[in-house]
Amino acid sequence: NAGVMQNPRHLVRRRGQEARLRCSPVKGHSHVYWYRQLPEEGLKFMVYLQKENIIDESGMPKERFSAEFPKEGPSILRIQQVVRGDSAAYFCASSRGSAGYGYTFGSGTRLTVV
Amino acid sequence: AQSVTQLDSQVPVFEEAPVELRCNYSSSVSVYLFWYVQYPNQGLQLLLKYLSGSTLVKGINGFEAEFNKSQTSFHLRKPSVHISDTAEYFCAVKVGQGGSEKLVFGKGTKLTVNP
Repeated sequence: NAGVMQNPRHLVRRRGQEARLRCSPVKGHSHVYWYRQLPEEGLKFMVYLQKENIIDESGMPKERFSAEFPKEGPSILRIQQVVRGDSAAYFCASSRGSAGYGYTFGSGTRLTVV
Repeated sequence: AQSVTQLDSQVPVFEEAPVELRCNYSSSVSVYLFWYVQYPNQGLQLLLKYLSGSTLVKGINGFEAEFNKSQTSFHLRKPSVHISDTAEYFCAVKVGQGGSEKLVFGKGTKLTVNP
């Protein structure tokens, strides 16, 4: 019974490149959430998706960031033309239904932009 | 908007001492509250949650928390900590309704247990 799987665990990109972060939710979970963690700032909500739908993207930067959760396959968080300020840990979480019952988190992807 | 405030960014304690990590939330009609723990270089793990019912909630690893509506608090406690409890602890509250719910997290409290 695998938990939330995120890959890669570590990702290094040069400024201007694209970063793709993948998240496979717990089997049977149809709700996926992405968070960004910076030191001393806690976890910041980015986006909430259900299969083929973006439910809430109020935490996503307006430019360069996008997310999808297709009918088949993992959820993808895509960052285009990365900058140094994008360096952070990105966590994915999933839930079977309402967030009111809590999430299961993945181990995160640590993005470093050089 | 609903939010949580973790009053201490760092809490150092000695092994076998009791500990309390403080969390206050902004008031709302219906409150769902959570505590998560994050060990170094890992994701977050659910410690316990309050949805309704008894105000004293017991979680994993000997932790418990008490929901106090009058003080809008949800403090996390453990009567005797171990070295292995060294980690960062996050309080969270559910916000939104009607299909657009999510968790909002506090900034975290780093617990360091010293021998």
